[in-house]
Amino acid sequence: AQTVTQSQPEMSVQEAETVTLSCTYDTSENNYYLFWYKQPPSRQMILVIRQEAYKQQNATENRFSVNFQKAAKSFSLKISDSQLGDTAMYFCAFMKGTYGGATNKLIFGTGTLLAVQP
Amino acid sequence: EAQVTQNPRYLITVTGKKLTVTCSQNMNHEYMSWYRQDPGLGLRQIYYSMNVEVTDKGDVPEGYKVSRKEKRNFPLILESPSPNQTSLYFCASSLSGGGFHNEQFFGPGTRLTVL
Repeated sequence: AQTVTQSQPEMSVQEAETVTLSCTYDTSENNYYLFWYKQPPSRQMILVIRQEAYKQQNATENRFSVNFQKAAKSFSLKISDSQLGDTAMYFCAFMKGTYGGATNKLIFGTGTLLAVQP
Repeated sequence: EAQVTQNPRYLITVTGKKLTVTCSQNMNHEYMSWYRQDPGLGLRQIYYSMNVEVTDKGDVPEGYKVSRKEKRNFPLILESPSPNQTSLYFCASSLSGGGFHNEQFFGPGTRLTVL
């Protein structure tokens, strides 16, 4: 069974600085996807970034980037130039990459609560 | 606007009183799922559906039922709610499952309290 571990329950960062959130996962699959979701106080789940396991290049979306280490099964999220609006719970998630008959199941970590301080 | 809607957003009920949480998407997505979110546990899948009349259990299906009679709707039914079903519930949909078009769009969540 797949598992996702986020070992940092809470983190804090000063506005405009850079912060890295950690995520490790365990799987025997070779084809899969990894995601970071943001959940602000509104509780809405917002997709931040997605990485396909077969792609070696790390995904980036504006100020958000990942460090994907497939052999180490590590998928950290780096937020550059942190903004007050980045304050949220961040969830790392895993999905098997099965075509046809897939469960569409996301397996989530327990989350990291990030506070951006002014 | 492409979206997933859920109703109600908040619900307080009592043990044993049947309830339904509705979910609807306007994106013609095939896959739909229900998740529950609990502190310290993240989100866990309850049920999913690959298409009309095709549903299957996720990781925590006990105490829940679902149906998919129309492509756009995927209601979650609690026949006899219990306090351990107090949680934050999310509906999600995606164009397909497991492949490239697997981005899941989440509804706004339903906060359920069972007394």
